[in-house]
Amino acid sequence: EPEVTQTPSHQVTQMGQEVILRCVPISNHLYFYWYRQILGQKVEFLVSFYNNEISEKSEIFDDQFSVERPDGSNFTLKIRSTKLEDSAMYFCASSELPDREYNYGYTFGSGTRLTVV
Amino acid sequence: AQSVTQLDSQVPVFEEAPVELRCNYSSSVSVYLFWYVQYPNQGLQLLLKYLSGSTLVESINGFEAEFNKSQTSFHLRKPSVHISDTAEYFCAVSLRGGYQKVTFGIGTKLQVIP
Repeated sequence: EPEVTQTPSHQVTQMGQEVILRCVPISNHLYFYWYRQILGQKVEFLVSFYNNEISEKSEIFDDQFSVERPDGSNFTLKIRSTKLEDSAMYFCASSELPDREYNYGYTFGSGTRLTVV
Repeated sequence: AQSVTQLDSQVPVFEEAPVELRCNYSSSVSVYLFWYVQYPNQGLQLLLKYLSGSTLVESINGFEAEFNKSQTSFHLRKPSVHISDTAEYFCAVSLRGGYQKVTFGIGTKLQVIP
């Protein structure tokens, strides 16, 4: 079964450093997303991306965050200057354009655990 | 905006006993409803979804959920749980029509006791 692949599985970074989280969505999917889950809290929407531009972003997704699809296969989330509160599990997801409603649904990756120290 | 409430943060249940994980949602418009499962140290997996049609939806591993519009609920049930069902279960909602962001509940940890 096709998978969304995220690398690395765990990243430790120092406060103030830039970090890039990488995702390889399923090849025929057209919509891409980032979500995050701070330990013990809800999974929260960060951003959606379609046709090489951001479709929607949440309040969390401020100027410190950016997304990019640099080469047609990878989908990256960059945090420019990490803060302690950015420590969380980050999930990438992708979905295809449904031709029928029953195709609707995301596929999530297994996540990258980001620890900011 | 839509929201999801999962009333139980943890549910312990003995193996082979039935279980119900409760989910209520709030939205002023029609929504899609989902249950996701997260096994220890793994990502989110779609367990089942309600899009339209029959209000009772089933997963391949014996879970079912029923959409109740009047009670704005989407409770998850299984008649007999197995040790391997131990995981965290997330109820989620999104607006209908096109790919919308998903709003998750806080999750319910199901602990199956041997």
